[in-house]
Amino acid sequence: SQTIHQWPATLVQPVGSPLSLECTVEGTSNPNLYWYRQAAGRGLQLLFYSIGIGQISSEVPQNLSASRPQDRQFILSSKKLLLSDSGFYLCGTTGGVGEKLFFGSGTQLSVL
Amino acid sequence: KQEVTQIPAALSVPEGENLVLNCSFTDSAIYNLQWFRQDPGKGLTSLLLIQSSQREQTSGRLNASLDKSSGRSTLYIAASQPGDSATYLCAVIPNQAGTALIFGKGTTLSVSS
Repeated sequence: SQTIHQWPATLVQPVGSPLSLECTVEGTSNPNLYWYRQAAGRGLQLLFYSIGIGQISSEVPQNLSASRPQDRQFILSSKKLLLSDSGFYLCGTTGGVGEKLFFGSGTQLSVL
Repeated sequence: KQEVTQIPAALSVPEGENLVLNCSFTDSAIYNLQWFRQDPGKGLTSLLLIQSSQREQTSGRLNASLDKSSGRSTLYIAASQPGDSATYLCAVIPNQAGTALIFGKGTTLSVSS
């Protein structure tokens, strides 16, 4: 079965600082990968998804970017964090269309 | 644009009660629907996946039904326990290959002993 590693679990960053969150997946090959954000009082918002190396689709224009340098690695980045970037970030994966979506344990990001 | 709504936003029940959580979606052209559980400060755990051709799925005390034509799904929890306390989210995948799930905001369930 697949395992999703996501780190760090919590992160406190000042406004204007850079960000790099990493997600790696084990136990599957060529997965679909997703970054979601859950802000306080709001539902999960899809940020980016990827169906293959170097293929990134952005759902919401924002201060963030994503990259997929390897088949099972998905990175979420920002050059300068904003207060509104605070939230709970979740990496997800599916083996393919119609299959279950599995999530990592998440990163709680607080931008101060 | 597909929208997913979950009612109620919060629910409190005594232990042992059977309960139903509701999920509705605006576009019936979905690929599948998935129910998740989220504990405070934790990631999401997948509970049940219903393909668009199916009407229900069962796992232990959980039963999820799907009525695509009316745009509704229900999650039935039998004999609720305090350990069932969590937020339950439903999500649909639109009828397009490679598109990610669209989530409702969830129902927060509290089961008292």
